[in-house]
Amino acid sequence: DVKVTQSSRYLVKRTGEKVFLECVQDMDHENMFWYRQDPGLGLRLIYFSYDVKMKEKGDIPEGYSVSREKKERFSLILESASTNQTSMYLCASSKGGGSAPAGQHFGDGTRLSIL
Amino acid sequence: AQSVTQPDIHITVSEGASLELRCNYSYGATPYLFWYVQSPGQGLQLLLKYFSGDTLVQGIKGFEAEFKRSQSSFNLRKPSVHWSDAAEYFCAVAPGGYNKLIFGAGTRLAVHP
Repeated sequence: DVKVTQSSRYLVKRTGEKVFLECVQDMDHENMFWYRQDPGLGLRLIYFSYDVKMKEKGDIPEGYSVSREKKERFSLILESASTNQTSMYLCASSKGGGSAPAGQHFGDGTRLSIL
Repeated sequence: AQSVTQPDIHITVSEGASLELRCNYSYGATPYLFWYVQSPGQGLQLLLKYFSGDTLVQGIKGFEAEFKRSQSSFNLRKPSVHWSDAAEYFCAVAPGGYNKLIFGAGTRLAVHP
């Protein structure tokens, strides 16, 4: 079965810390995504990557960066965590190319609390 | 700009009753449309998708959705709801390129026994 694995289900960090969220997929997908999910706002795209070492800003990239050194791994970095970054973070992947977009496969999410 | 609206934040139905969750989109061309479900504490699971062709699409778990271009809608339906269907449902549109998705705010479904 296809799998997107996020390294932590729950994470508590302090304001100002540098935080790393890790995501690994085993489907050899070209595209990977990071979203944050907040009540009443749905999912908002932070960053995505369509190839190794390639990245594109999503709708809310401020305060975040990403790294994709290997095809299967996509990391989200909070450079200096702030309380307004307390949220659920979801990683997803999808196959690239083709004439129509494939559905995205999601991990179970990381609930991050910044104190 | 592309957007997705799910007018109902919460819906409660009785087990065995029929269900319809509404989704309206704003997009100039023919969109690619998706419905996802999120059970508590889980990630999102793809229920079904529409790209072209037959406007009534079948998905997993007994769900179906109908694309209506004239109404810019893609409503999700199920004829008989089960208690295990209680979850949050998200409609999404893919404007194109790299499989980016734009999500609606979600509809939380509660099922009464």
